[in-house]
Order: sequence, then C-alpha cells, then structure tokens
Amino acid sequence: SQQGEEDPQALSIQEGENATMNCSYKTSINNLQWYRQNSGRGLVHLILIRSNEREKHSGRLRVTLDTSKKSSSLLITASRAADTASYFCATDAIGGSQGNLIFGKGTKLSVKP
Amino acid sequence: GAGVSQTPSNKVTEKGKYVELRCDPISGHTALYWYRQSLGQGPEFLIYFQGTGAADDSGLPNDRFFAVRPEGSVSTLKIQRTERGDSAVYLCASSLSTTGSGYTFGSGTRLTVV
Repeated sequence: SQQGEEDPQALSIQEGENATMNCSYKTSINNLQWYRQNSGRGLVHLILIRSNEREKHSGRLRVTLDTSKKSSSLLITASRAADTASYFCATDAIGGSQGNLIFGKGTKLSVKP
Repeated sequence: GAGVSQTPSNKVTEKGKYVELRCDPISGHTALYWYRQSLGQGPEFLIYFQGTGAADDSGLPNDRFFAVRPEGSVSTLKIQRTERGDSAVYLCASSLSTTGSGYTFGSGTRLTVV
C-alpha cells in the first residue's frame, strides 16, 4: 500500500522559477525522505528529514516537515532544465519494518528552458 | 563497486517462464532492498535483507517470488511461472543501515512478460 501522496501530480514551470511539491502521509514516522527519478529508472536520494526536525536545506533544496499535519514539502529554488524529473517522498512508519519505505505516486516536474 | 549494479537492464520473457534478476550492492552496505515499480506508480516494497537474512519479506506478492543473498553481498530475485502482471521495473537498493540513511538505488531491471 502507498501511504505517501504527492501533489501536484504534475508541475510545469519556467527555468529560474521555484518549484514546490507537497507530500502527505497517514501514519507516524521515524523519518521522511525525498527521491528524484529520471526516465522511470533508478532513484536518487535527495534529502532525509527526521521526525524531530522541522526544516532542512541542501543546496537549492529546502524540505519542511509538519508531523502534526502529517505533511512535508520540497522546494527547489532557481530551477534548471536538469531538474526535470519525477519526485517521490518516502516514509518509514513507526512500528513498521525498518527496511520498508513507503513511497507516494510522485510529482512529475517539467522545467522549460 | 561505485554504485548499485543490476543485471540485466532489460528482460523479456514468456509467460510461465522462470527469471532471475541480479543485484550487486555497494561494497560494505549491509542492508539490501528490492522494490517493484509499475508505470505511473511509486516503488513498492518487496523484501529487505540485513546481511544474509531476509529481515522482512512481507512485500513479496506470492510464493512465486523468492530472493536470496547467500553471502551477504549479491542478491538474486527469483520469479517462477511469470505472469503478465509481473511486468514492471524491479529496483534494488542498498544502504549502510536501515535507519537514518538514504538508500542508493540501482538503475533497475525492466521485466516484460509476454
């Protein structure tokens, strides 16, 4: 079953603009991760935020986590055409298997040059 | 190796045949995971290994699916009597530990059952 739900499902922006993607989940978590996937193949780990953290930065990426609302957002600033990809959030649920990440369906981001 | 290696990258098989998908994780990564991704969906968990043992195989859809990791390194996902519904991209990942660290994924094996 998929517990994460990203929105929007698809997002199209111009190069240089910021892109914001949201993720909601259902159960209490240990941490939440964001991944990028190009062309439906391997996923690339972007950032991990723990349940006791509220915000985290990595380069042009900013992730927030609101455990009271069971939601997270990924902001990509000053987007580039190379950021075009699908973005997934993934959670590991408290009480669940530690190796079992639950992914959402993803947001398809298109950055036009 | 430098990354997680999966072979073959593409596999076309006939319905009813047996297939094996191989995953070579990053050297030293004790945790290894198999996921399956259908078109337009996120990856779905199949099984994960801690060392040689399957710590959680709750995601395997039925007894036609089996995975091994006999020496705690390379893993093989085995599918018997393949069905058209098994067609998907099979992703393998590894990590140093299961908690608090991101996974490194391979490029996947695209399995097509005809």
